[in-house]
Formats: sequence, C-alpha cells, structure tokens
Amino acid sequence: DMKVTQMPRYLIKRMGENVLLECGQDMSHETMYWYRQDPGLGLQLIYISYDVDSNSEGDIPKGYRVSRKKREHFSLILDSAKTNQTSVYFCASSLENTLYFGAGTRLSVL
Amino acid sequence: QQKVQQSPESLIVPEGAMTSLNCTFSDSASQYFAWYRQHSGKAPKALMSIFSNGEKEEGRFTIHLNKASLHFSLHIRDSQPSDSALYLCAPRTSGGNYKPTFGKGTSLVVHP
Repeated sequence: DMKVTQMPRYLIKRMGENVLLECGQDMSHETMYWYRQDPGLGLQLIYISYDVDSNSEGDIPKGYRVSRKKREHFSLILDSAKTNQTSVYFCASSLENTLYFGAGTRLSVL
Repeated sequence: QQKVQQSPESLIVPEGAMTSLNCTFSDSASQYFAWYRQHSGKAPKALMSIFSNGEKEEGRFTIHLNKASLHFSLHIRDSQPSDSALYLCAPRTSGGNYKPTFGKGTSLVVHP
C-alpha cells in the first residue's frame, strides 16, 4: 500500500521561530510536493521536487525553503515563521499522473 | 499558469439525489483530468480520472470531459451521506516538469 508519512501532525510555534516539517514516502517516487491548504483558497503549491537536489518553486514559495537529500524524504523549512503561515500543510508524491497525499501537518504560528 | 475554477462552491443535496460538480480550466493543452475527494480532516485522495473526450463511469461516479469547451464534470448518482466531502478537480498539461494545479473545491453535504 502506497504511503506518505508526515511529521509532526500538529505543531504550535511562536512567531520568529524556525519550523521543520518532514515528509517520507516508501514508494521511491521521483516527484514530491509541498502544498498548503487554507479555507476558501484550496491547495496552493509551495515547492515541487523532481528528484534529489532538483527542486522548483511552486506558486507561493516566499517564506519557505525545501530540502531533498534522499529520494524518499522531503522537508519543508520555515525560517522565522510568520503568523500568516498558520495553515495545514500537505506533502504528496506522484506516480505518473496520480498524487498521493500525506495526512497533513496542522501548523499554528502564534 | 493554469487557471482552474470550480462550481458550485458548496452544495447540499438529499440522500439519493444526482449531484453534479463542475470544473473549468484555462490551458487547452491539458491532457489529463482528475478528481480528488477530501473528507473532513483527512488527506485528499484520487477519485477518478480521464484522458480523452467523452465519459467514464465507475460505479456511482461518472466523469464527463469536453476539451473544446475547457470543461469537465463529476456526477454522483444516488448520493450517499458518505459522499459528503470536499471535491477538488486537477487538470494537468503534458510534459515532464508540470506543476499540478487544483481548483478551490466544491464542498458537498449529503443529508439523510
């Protein structure tokens, strides 16, 4: 069964703190994604990774960076988090045309 | 950049009704059209997809695609309370380094 795992599931941080969201997949998929989901805005693409060290900005990359040093692992980093980065973050990987999503990380920045 | 619009934004139907959800897209080069379903508090999950013009049926669910009108739709026959969810459409263009774009979704509630 294809599985994408996100850690942590819930996170509360203070404004200005650094945040690390982690994502793993056990399917050896080349392409992985980070999205954020806010009410009324749908899924917005932050970054996409086509393979190890091959990352590309999505539609809303400002304030975020990513790291992919192993094919099965993709991290999202928020340097000095802001309150408007409070959201639900989804990681996904894809096989051909289908995206497989993790369960999400609910991040609150106070 | 692909622009995707979904309608309606929300929908409430009685159990047993036929439900129709719509998606329009802007890129005429789009070649793959998918619907994802997201139950409350859960991850989006692929539901159905279609490549070519026409219709595809899987159980109670049917996709219609009309590339010329830049439109595809999802129809749910005999809607059930378990179908209550956010439905997201995702058209994609061809090419290796595409970036998946989702509509904002239609929130469906099926009441018993």
